[in-house]
Amino acid sequence: GDSVTQMEGPVTLSEEAFLTINCTYTATGYPSLFWYVQYPGEGLQLLLKATKADDKGSNKGFEATYRKETTSFHLEKGSVQVSDSAVYFCALALWGGGNKLTFGTGTQLKVEL
Amino acid sequence: GAVVSQHPSWVICKSGTSVKIECRSLDFQATTMFWYRQFPKQSLMLMATSNEGSKATYEQGVEKDKFLINHASLTLSTLTVTSAHPEDSSFYICSSRGSNTEAFFGQGTRLTVV
Repeated sequence: GDSVTQMEGPVTLSEEAFLTINCTYTATGYPSLFWYVQYPGEGLQLLLKATKADDKGSNKGFEATYRKETTSFHLEKGSVQVSDSAVYFCALALWGGGNKLTFGTGTQLKVEL
Repeated sequence: GAVVSQHPSWVICKSGTSVKIECRSLDFQATTMFWYRQFPKQSLMLMATSNEGSKATYEQGVEKDKFLINHASLTLSTLTVTSAHPEDSSFYICSSRGSNTEAFFGQGTRLTVV
């Protein structure tokens, strides 16, 4: 079946450090890929997405590139801030599957001063 | 972006009682709604998918008689946890999708059964 694998957290970084959160996927079809962010006590917010190979999603300084050859969608940010502390979820959706999202287990990011 | 409002944001109930959680899409018509459950430090588990006016489709292992889902209109879906028990305590999140939109998430509901 379809699945998403993320690196385990928590990831602890100092402010202005470079961030990478790895995400790989397995899908029977040709998925769209997403990164969602969940701040403490809140629901999920879409951070960025990519719908086809080699697409780069970007938002708020975060980027991720859809790599079909490595079935990956790693999240990166050049300089993190304390306000980026949250849980990040990688997800995929197959558009023929009713748009159900399959999530990874989430990676908690803690950014310290 | 589109707004999905989920209510209540948290609720505490006694064991054996029922709790209703509402999910409203405020500025678009939600043709499909999804209900997820999130355990501490784990990912979201899809419980069921509902299309407006039809019965919900439940994921394997989810008890349909315990988790009642109603999607009576294009802007409202409800999840009722019937005869709640402490093991039902969790974070429940709804998600709505229009005919040509991505999925938008509610703020979530923290349910505690005592």
